[in-house]
Amino acid sequence: DAGVIQSPRHEVTEMGQEVTLRCKPISGHNSLFWYRQTMMRGLELLIYFNNNVPIDDSGMPEDRFSAKMPNASFSTLKIQPSEPRDSAVYFCASSLTQYQPQHFGDGTRLSIL
Amino acid sequence: GENVEQHPSTLSVQEGDSAVIKCTYSDSASNYFPWYKQELGKRPQLIIDIRSNVGEKKDQRIAVTLNKTAKHFSLHITETQPEDSAVYFCAASIGSGTYKYIFGTGTRLKVLA
Repeated sequence: DAGVIQSPRHEVTEMGQEVTLRCKPISGHNSLFWYRQTMMRGLELLIYFNNNVPIDDSGMPEDRFSAKMPNASFSTLKIQPSEPRDSAVYFCASSLTQYQPQHFGDGTRLSIL
Repeated sequence: GENVEQHPSTLSVQEGDSAVIKCTYSDSASNYFPWYKQELGKRPQLIIDIRSNVGEKKDQRIAVTLNKTAKHFSLHITETQPEDSAVYFCAASIGSGTYKYIFGTGTRLKVLA
């Protein structure tokens, strides 16, 4: 099992640019989660998909953030336009169902200059 | 709102000693409590979890105890080894049987050789 795969691992870009983070969940997992981790706020849930449908996006900080899951094996988190305060590590996690343990990917370390 | 408090924030133990990390949650409906280990620059990794219908769960050197009445749960690591050094996060589900976790602020465990 390859686990949850995220790309890129690191991203450095200038403020105002569009940033796209990608995630491939574990095969067969029906639930997918995007988290953000910062020193100040810890691990925060941004959005949750179940069977490719966004169920809860109450953690998405602003309209600049959007997420999609076009199929069961791929999801994106987009920030447009990016700002320095968006700098963080973004994790994707998946679980077999919404009631099963969540397994995290290796994360994307995002730096907005 | 829902809250998870985690103590201590840092913990140093001698190799071979035991380590205990404690968490307190506020939502009496919480029924799932995972623990994650995160090494520097790596993903949170699920190490053990417990559901509210049991009071204790063990997996080799790791155990978790749950006191529903007092709304607290603890992670116990026995015979600590240098590779146990990491940040440990507790989490509690929000409500019963939900996907949403509130994470603790983390405990940085250092095992001294």
